[in-house]
Amino acid sequence: SQTIHQWPATLVQPVGSPLSLECTVEGTSNPNLYWYRQAAGRGLQLLFYSVGIGQISSEVPQNLSASRPQDRQFILSSKKLLLSDSGFYLCAWSVSGGYTFGSGTRLTVV
Amino acid sequence: GIQVEQSPPDLILQEGANSTLRCNFSDSVNNLQWFHQNPWGQLINLFYIPSGTKQNGRLSATTVATERYSLLYISSSQTTDSGVYFCAVDSGYSTLTFGKGTMLLVSP
Repeated sequence: SQTIHQWPATLVQPVGSPLSLECTVEGTSNPNLYWYRQAAGRGLQLLFYSVGIGQISSEVPQNLSASRPQDRQFILSSKKLLLSDSGFYLCAWSVSGGYTFGSGTRLTVV
Repeated sequence: GIQVEQSPPDLILQEGANSTLRCNFSDSVNNLQWFHQNPWGQLINLFYIPSGTKQNGRLSATTVATERYSLLYISSSQTTDSGVYFCAVDSGYSTLTFGKGTMLLVSP
């Protein structure tokens, strides 16, 4: 069966520190992979998506970046976090239309 | 880009009541999904329903693609149904655009 793993579940980081969030999927090949962010107030915003290894599309200009070093691995990074980067980060995958989301990482930048 | 509007934004129900949540979208879609976000933040996929009607227990959904709306029905609501319900659509670019959600509170 297909599963998606996302870690860590919670993270508190100081302003200016680096960030690395990892997402891996199992049980499928060549999925589309996504990073979404949910700020306070409910809305989900697409940050990055990838249709293959090394292929990254950015939806929103910001100080975050994404990489896909392997078919089933998607990484969200930042060199220097801002207070505004706080939020709930969700990884997702899709194959043939349906989307499945990971359990999310709650990031607080202090 | 495509616009997704959900209504109502908030809903309070007594346990056992029925409800209908609506999702309007501004363009034709390849994919429409309903999600339930639980108190821990997990997005649970309820329905993949670009058109037609589906039922799963007390929940059912109908999408009328030609009229650009979808409805989520919750019957005999339970306290565990509380949370935020999201409608999300893919208009052909392999990405989901979310509505702002309906926050449902079911009281005992």
